[in-house]
Order: sequence, then structure tokens, then C-alpha cells
Amino acid sequence: QVQVVESGGGLVKPGGSLRLSCAASGFTFSGYYMSWIRQAPGKGLEWVSYIGSNGSTTHYADSVKGRFSISRDNAKNSLYLQMSGLRVEDTALYYCVSGLEYWGPGTLVTVSS
Amino acid sequence: DIVMTQSPDSLAVSLGERATINCKSSQSILHSSNNKNFLAWYQQKPGQPPNLLIYWASTRKSGVPDRFSGSGSGTDFTLTISSLQAEDVAVYYCQQYYTTYTFGQGTKLEIK
Repeated sequence: QVQVVESGGGLVKPGGSLRLSCAASGFTFSGYYMSWIRQAPGKGLEWVSYIGSNGSTTHYADSVKGRFSISRDNAKNSLYLQMSGLRVEDTALYYCVSGLEYWGPGTLVTVSS
Repeated sequence: DIVMTQSPDSLAVSLGERATINCKSSQSILHSSNNKNFLAWYQQKPGQPPNLLIYWASTRKSGVPDRFSGSGSGTDFTLTISSLQAEDVAVYYCQQYYTTYTFGQGTKLEIK
């Protein structure tokens, strides 16, 4: 069955860096565009970034542009999000999403001094 | 950027009654290339990731009960639950995928 599992979250100080990973299985990973979507505690959903199926197309929300970088490795069925210059307002549960349908359980990123 | 606005922010409906949630986009999300509206609806229960219910504004995902339906075109959309069940208590989000993604602020649905 389809599985999407995020990892790499944790506590980091403002200005710090973190790399999130997402492992996917049960579907043809290389055929799907992939996204990172986040949800601050008690808040709504915010799209962060997405990447085309072959990795050549990427888009970012204005709130993370220049600080976050999305990438993928189709040979490893994996998606990544390199986050730098982290701010308190980046604190959220980060979801890895395939297309519209397959969401992981999320990994929590907490930015605090 | 396309702004998505949902109404109401919260809604209380009696079991077995109809629930209606509205979603308005700041510009049309009907694409002329395929005549489809790039609009999805999600249900999110506490402690769970969102679950896709409807895409292309009115296409129900396989396995979603037929009491859930989506309608609308252009800039105005509606999610209707025809007969509310206890398990439908959740927060509902609309999302446009016409250009990048944007979500509505969410509508919290409760039992009256």
C-alpha cells in the first residue's frame, strides 16, 4: 500500500538549518509531482514548495523563497527539504504530499531559542 | 497569488441534516485548456493529516461516501454533506491548484 513518511524534524535555534526527508513507497514516485505543506500548531494549511516529477521544475511560497530548497531522488523514492535561516514562524508540522492525495503523518519542526 | 476564502469559519449542524461550506477564489480557477476547475476539498480530523475528498471541484475520490459532493465553477465553490454523520466532525479546507497551491482558512464542522 502507499506509504509516505517524513523525518528530520526537531528543535533548532533561530537562524539554524535543518534537512527534512520523505520516503515514499507503494506508488510510482517518479511519476508524481511532490510537495511540502506545513501546518503551524492550531492553524491552517500553508503550501511551502513543490517539485515536478523529474526535478526540473520547482516553486516556493514567498515566505520561504531564498531560504528553503526542495529536491528529490527518484532512484531512492525520496523527497527532501533543505531549510536554512529558520525563523520562529517556521515552527510547524511539515507534511510531504504526493500529488493531492497521499500525505505523510508529518514531522514537527520547532524553531526556538 | 490566488486567495481562497471559506465561509463560514465554523458551522454546527444536527445529525442527519445538510451541511454546506463555501469557498471563493480571488480569480477564476477554471482552466480553458481542459475546462476543469483546479479546486480540491480536504477533511482533517484531529491528529491526522488532511484527507482528500474531492478534486476538479466535483470529482469524488474513490472510497469517499456519496453524501459528500462538490459543486461550483470559476470563483465560487461549495462542499455539501447531504446528511451529517458523527464521523464527519472535522475541519474542512478548500485548495486551489491552478497556480502553485493556496488553501482556504478552514471551516470547523461540529454537531449541534
